[in-house]
Amino acid sequence: DGGITQSPKYLFRKEGQNVTLSCEQNLNHDAMYWYRQDPGQGLRLIYYSQIVNDFQKGDIAEGYSVSREKKESFPLTVTSAQKNPTAFYLCASSIQASLETNEKLFFGSGTQLSVL
Amino acid sequence: QKEVEQDPGPLSVPEGAIVSLNCTYSNSAFQYFMWYRQYSRKGPELLMYTYSSGNKEDGRFTAQVDKSSKYISLFIRDSQPSDSATYLCAMSNFGNEKLTFGTGTRLTIIP
Repeated sequence: DGGITQSPKYLFRKEGQNVTLSCEQNLNHDAMYWYRQDPGQGLRLIYYSQIVNDFQKGDIAEGYSVSREKKESFPLTVTSAQKNPTAFYLCASSIQASLETNEKLFFGSGTQLSVL
Repeated sequence: QKEVEQDPGPLSVPEGAIVSLNCTYSNSAFQYFMWYRQYSRKGPELLMYTYSSGNKEDGRFTAQVDKSSKYISLFIRDSQPSDSATYLCAMSNFGNEKLTFGTGTRLTIIP
């Protein structure tokens, strides 16, 4: 089955620790995205990537880093610089990121990150 | 003022009722309007996708866009307990990287 796989489902971070969230898709989508979801707030864009080896900051990129070495993979690292990392993290992908149209966004099942 | 406003609920209705969910927005440049359904601790799934104004129907779901009032709606007919979820509206002028989400409305259908 085609889809987006996020792992782990639950993750705990200690003070000063960097943690990496995995996102893999087998939909052959060009564009991939990372969102953060907090209670009572809409989804906020952290980073996005339109093609391999290229990515751009979203609205709340501080304290996060990403890489896009392969089309199907877009891991997110939550660094120790992110002082309030507890949230539900969602990875998404779309066929392509076009300036002319909105290609439909497909989401993974999410990773809940909590601070110990 | 937020760019997209959505009543967080919670909203509880009896099974079989018609449900109306709404969002208002301030950016008149928005052209693409979407509704997502999100079950607890799962990723959102796309329900309805509309470009510009008008209505779109898909089974028990109808999406309406009124650009003159900057108001979008999602109607659910013959609501079922399986419709219990959080419903998120989302919209943009162009480009998924510009997508703005509402906070979501938590809906419960009571059997």
